[in-house]
Amino acid sequence: EAQVTQNPRYLITVTGKKLTVTCSQNMNHEYMSWYRQDPGLGLRQIYYSMNVEVTDKGDVPEGYKVSRKEKRNFPLILESPSPNQTSLYFCASKRQGGNEQFFGPGTRLTVL
Amino acid sequence: TQLLEQSPQFLSIQEGENLTVYCNSSSVFSSLQWYRQEPGEGPVLLVTVVTGGEVKKLKRLTFQFGDARKDSSLHITAAQPGDTGLYLCAGVGQGGSEKLVFGKGTKLTVNP
Repeated sequence: EAQVTQNPRYLITVTGKKLTVTCSQNMNHEYMSWYRQDPGLGLRQIYYSMNVEVTDKGDVPEGYKVSRKEKRNFPLILESPSPNQTSLYFCASKRQGGNEQFFGPGTRLTVL
Repeated sequence: TQLLEQSPQFLSIQEGENLTVYCNSSSVFSSLQWYRQEPGEGPVLLVTVVTGGEVKKLKRLTFQFGDARKDSSLHITAAQPGDTGLYLCAGVGQGGSEKLVFGKGTKLTVNP
């Protein structure tokens, strides 16, 4: 089944404790992206990647890092999480030049 | 910066009623997409409109792209409880951009 998977689905952590949210897709898509979704603010892009070893900042990259060492994986790293990073995070992928983005099921992160 | 203004933000109606959701911008987009998101899941693409003035129908849902490719609307006829969800419009920038600009969403509740 074609899908985007994210882990963990839920995470409660404390300020300053490094964490990684994994994202994997099995559709051989070139383009991958991370979004955060907050009430009243909608979906905002954090980082995106056009292909392996090619990443770039989205609209709200501060406090986040990403890497794209393999085509299928695009982890989101929070080196020192803060409470304002409490949010619902989505990973998405699509074929280069394609229209449709396929979204993962989301990761709900709470930073205390 | 390209922005998409989506209205209304919330909509609560009775089963059988009709409704329209609007998505407006001052920017021109090469195409516009509509997604639907259910609680606990990621957004799922409903339709992509590409040509100015284009109208697409998906059962009881009618999507229209404005002539100038700056706005779009989603009309639902005879809404059903199963239509309940968050509807998101997303614009694709011109010039081969892969980036999606999302509206803030319309939360639709259809009461039985």
